[in-house]
Amino acid sequence: GNSVTQMEGPVTLSEEAFLTINCTYTATGYPSLFWYVQYPGEGLQLLLKATKADDKGSNKGFEATYRKETTSFHLEKGSVQVSDSAVYFCALSDNSGNTPLVFGKGTRLSVIA
Amino acid sequence: EAGVVQSPRYKIIEKKQPVAFWCNPISGHNTLYWYRQNLGQGPELLIRYENEEAVDDSQLPKDRFSAERLKGVDSTLKIQPAELGDSAVYLCASSMERTEAFFGQGTRLTVV
Repeated sequence: GNSVTQMEGPVTLSEEAFLTINCTYTATGYPSLFWYVQYPGEGLQLLLKATKADDKGSNKGFEATYRKETTSFHLEKGSVQVSDSAVYFCALSDNSGNTPLVFGKGTRLSVIA
Repeated sequence: EAGVVQSPRYKIIEKKQPVAFWCNPISGHNTLYWYRQNLGQGPELLIRYENEEAVDDSQLPKDRFSAERLKGVDSTLKIQPAELGDSAVYLCASSMERTEAFFGQGTRLTVV
C-alpha cells in the first residue's frame, strides 16, 4: 500500500540556517504530494503541494520538488526563522484527488535564535 | 471565514466508558474526514464522507467506533466502550470536492 517515510527529528537549527527535511514515498499510480505544518497549539495547515512529477511547490520560503525517479519530496528552506519552529508532515494522496490520506510520522523542527 | 470546529478540545474518561466527538466543517465543504493521530505519529484516516455517505471507512474499528454525518454537515465520532489504546488526538478535516483539506484543532482524548 501507499506509505510515506520522512526523516526523524527532532531537528534543531540556528536562525538563518539551511533546512532540509527528507521525505520519500511508496505509491501506486501518480499520487499528489503535500507538506503540512503544525505550529504549537494549532491544527494542521497545508504548507505546499505538488500534483505531478517535476512540479515544485513553494510557500513562505519553503520549497519541495516532486521527484518521481527517486520517489522523493524533500522540504527545503534557505534561511529558517524562529517562527518556523513546528512539526512538519509529508503526505500523499491517491490519484483520485487532492486530499491527503497517508501521512509520515512528522519531523519536529526547533529554530533557536 | 470560520474554520473547522471541533469539540471538545480535551476529554478524559475512564476505560469502558463511551465518548463522542463533534465536528462542524467549513460551510459548503461536502467532504469530511476523521483522522486519529497517536503520539509521535502522523494522522491516520479513519473515515471519509462525501456529503452524508461514508465512502471510505476501511480503517474504522467498527466493533467500537461509529460515525455519522446527518444531513451532510456536522459529524459525530463515537467510541463505545473506550480502551486505553484509544488515547490519541482525533482530527476532523473538510474539503470541497478534490481540493485542499482544512483541519480542525482536534480533540485530545485520554483514557485512564
